[in-house]
Amino acid sequence: AQKVTQAQTEISVVEKEDVTLDCVYETRDTTYYLFWYKQPPSGELVFLIRRNSFDEQNEISGRYSWNFQKSTSSFNFTITASQVVDSAVYFCALRTNAGKSTFGDGTTLTVKP
Amino acid sequence: DAGVIQSPRHEVTEMGQEVTLRCKLISGHNSLFWYRQTMMRGLELLIYFNNNVPIDDSGMPEDRFSAKMPNASFSTLKIQPSEPRDSAVYFCASSPTGGQTGELFFGEGSRLTVL
Repeated sequence: AQKVTQAQTEISVVEKEDVTLDCVYETRDTTYYLFWYKQPPSGELVFLIRRNSFDEQNEISGRYSWNFQKSTSSFNFTITASQVVDSAVYFCALRTNAGKSTFGDGTTLTVKP
Repeated sequence: DAGVIQSPRHEVTEMGQEVTLRCKLISGHNSLFWYRQTMMRGLELLIYFNNNVPIDDSGMPEDRFSAKMPNASFSTLKIQPSEPRDSAVYFCASSPTGGQTGELFFGEGSRLTVL
């Protein structure tokens, strides 16, 4: 069985603050893939990043960065200098080689002006 | 290119009625997922298909729910009879050919309200 845990249900920050969203996963598979998705108030789910289990390099894309640590089964997401438009629900997800995708419960981020 | 297309976007029905939700995959995608989102239970995987074949339907709540892929580009999720607890947003998502490990492309969702 696989499981994704996002312990932070809600986070509220003030614009320009940095914020980190935590994600911890469980799987017995040795090959797997991790994702982050964003769901803005409009409701659609938007893909942000994909990481495979063999690639522990951190990644930075603009104000977004991701820290994958296999030793702690974590795949955390940091937004630097947050903006109001970052307000959304963020989902971490795990996909096995068989194709099944499991999502965490999501973290609702509110960025206040 | 068109994304994943779901219909209807909104459906309000009465308890006991049959509901059919439809999904058109992105051309060339071969994996299809149905998710249900509620405040209480978050995003739940109901069923997923690879190459039109159902691979895992363990998330389907009960016999009232059924899903089909009559062809490579189209899927339906049917609820018969519907109940108020089925009220949710139902998302369809597809994944590229050969990309069983790739990201999912989601439709805009079908918001179902069962009175």
